[in-house]
Amino acid sequence: QKEVEQDPGPLSVPEGAIVSLNCTYSNSAFQYFMWYRQYSRKGPELLMYTYSSGNKEDGRFTAQVDKSSKYISLFIRDSQPSDSATYLCAMSGGAGNNRKLIWGLGTSLAVNP
Amino acid sequence: EAGVVQSPRYKIIEKKQPVAFWCNPISGHNTLYWYLQNLGQGPELLIRYENEEAVDDSQLPKDRFSAERLKGVDSTLKIQPAELGDSAVYLCASSPGLADTQYFGPGTRLTVL
Repeated sequence: QKEVEQDPGPLSVPEGAIVSLNCTYSNSAFQYFMWYRQYSRKGPELLMYTYSSGNKEDGRFTAQVDKSSKYISLFIRDSQPSDSATYLCAMSGGAGNNRKLIWGLGTSLAVNP
Repeated sequence: EAGVVQSPRYKIIEKKQPVAFWCNPISGHNTLYWYLQNLGQGPELLIRYENEEAVDDSQLPKDRFSAERLKGVDSTLKIQPAELGDSAVYLCASSPGLADTQYFGPGTRLTVL
């Protein structure tokens, strides 16, 4: 079993839809949970990060972490064509030389006008 | 504030040739990462530096890959000799703290013929 599972999609939605992107993980040591957006031929761009469980909102984006279920989500409200990109989850935990950082494979999202 | 700078942006070489990539992180970021990313995949960590110390190089193929971060600022990643399977995008990222919230450069797209 991979340490992080992320559905690669592709996910196609109409403009204005609510998008839900998800990752599951197996290592309970993870404490920091991040979402990155990557446009074609660009480096990943940090969207949001959350420490431990809970919700965090930034504009149209909401990140949720449920450590008891080992499940994280990114919600995009009122999706726009400019949101079309690959969304990567990443998580880390531990300290010093034992710190571990794991990435999902990414979910490809297309928002159609 | 300037972002992470990488050069070159593109490189085409023949197999068995050496190649080097350069990265200048965001000023003040002590943590520097080198990743490899194949099409449709998430980034794969090659090496992580805390200042000038390589604290995680467990995924770096040391028979052909080497890296250095002199003075804890710029970093160079080298491949010698390159193989066909090394064709990928090589990403550099830097982070200001413990949470692995990273800021990426645009990447170097390597093609090995």
